[in-house]
Amino acid sequence: GQQVMQIPQYQHVQEGEDFTTYCNSSTTLSNIQWYKQRPGGHPVFLIQLVKSGEVKKQKRLTFQFGEAKKNSSLHITATQTTDVGTYFCAGPGSGGSNYKLTFGKGTLLTVNP
Amino acid sequence: DSGVTQTPKHLITATGQRVTLRCSPRSGDLSVYWYQQSLDQGLQFLIQYYNGEERAKGNILERFSAQQFPDLHSELNLSSLELGDSALYFCASSGGLHRDTQYFGPGTRLTVL
Repeated sequence: GQQVMQIPQYQHVQEGEDFTTYCNSSTTLSNIQWYKQRPGGHPVFLIQLVKSGEVKKQKRLTFQFGEAKKNSSLHITATQTTDVGTYFCAGPGSGGSNYKLTFGKGTLLTVNP
Repeated sequence: DSGVTQTPKHLITATGQRVTLRCSPRSGDLSVYWYQQSLDQGLQFLIQYYNGEERAKGNILERFSAQQFPDLHSELNLSSLELGDSALYFCASSGGLHRDTQYFGPGTRLTVL
């Protein structure tokens, strides 16, 4: 079955440093989604990328979808303490009425103020 | 607020017991997903229902079952509980405007003593 892998599992940075997490799928994806889960919270949808090579920005966050649509990355510039949390990537299922998502195990980001 | 509600927020019970977790999806969403999140396992997909029918199964134990009712709310039943079932259980819904984006509820924290 489809597998989605994320690295690193953990990342600790000083406030102001940059952060990147990488996501790789065993299969080509129709789209990739990113979620953030704050400590003690629930996963919250951040963004969806659909096109090969697509790059999207949300303030200090830059999301990329690989040309082969099998990998993605999330880059945060100048981290802040509010960026703390676990970042998950997820790839969709086979479509139709099955919208099952396969989640990566996530990257836990901690930021030292 | 994602629009997905889950009850109860916390549940403490003993081994061998049975509990029911409840989820109401966002208005208009037809799909409901259940996930188990423990410290070392990340987000584990359990099961998906779409408009009342089971659509996808993940790593769901035989002691666990779920259903989706005509009003689209869903229940996850956990029986013969074991210590290892202690976890956060999330419900998510999709099927609205962005069909494969999932919106997570706040979760139910289950503690089995």
